[in-house]
Amino acid sequence: QSALTQPASVSGSPGQSITISCTGTSRDIGTYNFVSWYQQYPGKAPQLIIYDVSNRPSGVSNRFSGSKSGNTASLTISGLRAEDEADYYCFSFGAAFGTGTEVTVV
Amino acid sequence: EVQLVESGGGLVQPGGSIRLSCAASGFTFTEYWMNWVRQAPGKGLEWVANIDDFGRVKNYGESVRGRFTISRDNAENSLSLQMNSLRAEDTALYYCVRNRGYETFDIWGQGTLVTVSS
Repeated sequence: QSALTQPASVSGSPGQSITISCTGTSRDIGTYNFVSWYQQYPGKAPQLIIYDVSNRPSGVSNRFSGSKSGNTASLTISGLRAEDEADYYCFSFGAAFGTGTEVTVV
Repeated sequence: EVQLVESGGGLVQPGGSIRLSCAASGFTFTEYWMNWVRQAPGKGLEWVANIDDFGRVKNYGESVRGRFTISRDNAENSLSLQMNSLRAEDTALYYCVRNRGYETFDIWGQGTLVTVSS
């Protein structure tokens, strides 16, 4: 199982939309619709925010959305807020966690 | 309240052993696969191992296979990780994590820190 590739950092201004990519292969993201995304604040445990590519657990803001095209999954955060500053990780069935993306609200 | 509480972390010498435990509450433990996920200081997440709801199927990450053993006690609603032949690179915060569906990690504990150092 190899790690999925994410950009090290993404930044945006309040109110903007940002997208984090998660690139895998035809053996994982390209085959299975079991991609999940996790948000982690410093010193805290990760929290599930997207599962099965595009589903949100109860209580997660609808500003978070997920999608997939080919071997790449994406997480979009709309209406960016200061509270969205965190690390984000993807995970796919058949693979491993992504390398992680630090989101900064500037 | 659904909760996972880890314990057992600490300082251990290279080559030594340690056993982590996780107490589950607030849900029907026997209905879920369970995982251990770790995070080295300042690094990303790494999946370590998982176990099926009956405790019969066990899977391990390449970096720990042959050294770590995952187990569960459904009567006690507990998950364990026996860690042997520890190396400096095993130093990490170890999370107990519930599985939802196909390797979706929906409930996380707060973690227990293992430090491997002489």
